[in-house]
Amino acid sequence: QVQLVESGGGLVKPGGSLRLSCAASGFTFSDHNMSWFRQAPGKGLEWVSYINIRGTYTDYADSVKGRFTISRDNAKNSLYLQMNSLRAEDTAVYYCARREGDYWGQGTLVTVSS
Amino acid sequence: EIVLTQSPGTLSLSPRERATLSCRASQSVSSSYLGWYQQKPGQAPRLLIYGASNRATGIPDRFSGSGSGTDFTLTISRLEPEDFAVYYCQQYGTSPYTFGQGTKLEIK
Repeated sequence: QVQLVESGGGLVKPGGSLRLSCAASGFTFSDHNMSWFRQAPGKGLEWVSYINIRGTYTDYADSVKGRFTISRDNAKNSLYLQMNSLRAEDTAVYYCARREGDYWGQGTLVTVSS
Repeated sequence: EIVLTQSPGTLSLSPRERATLSCRASQSVSSSYLGWYQQKPGQAPRLLIYGASNRATGIPDRFSGSGSGTDFTLTISRLEPEDFAVYYCQQYGTSPYTFGQGTKLEIK
């Protein structure tokens, strides 16, 4: 069955960095565009970033542009989100998902606090 | 940026009643790239509807989507106890791929 499992979340100080990973299984990862989303505590959903099948095209929400980098390794069936210059407002549960929105991971919590 | 406005913010209904949720876009949504999600506490969102009116795999037929352009509707024909949750619409035709603020469907 299709599975997306995020990891790498945790507590980080403002200005710090974190790298999230998303391990995909149960489907041909290299056939699907992928996205990251996030949800701040008690808030709604926010799209963060998108990457195409080959990793040749990426897109970002303005709120993270220049600070976050999405990437993928099709050989490892993995999606990544490198997050730099983290701010308190980046605190959220981060989800990876297939571009179609039909499968999501369970999420990983990122807390930015001193 | 396309702003999606969902109404009402909270909808109080009883099981077996019909629910109608609205999602209005600030500009036309490209090629009906409009989806609806259900989210329960502590869970990831679940895709219900894509392309404005297509049910996702495994979604019961009591869920239906309609609309085009700037006005979209999610209808739940007969509420089951497990349907009480928060519902989000999302447009994925034009970057940034925005969500509505959500409608909370609660038991009356």
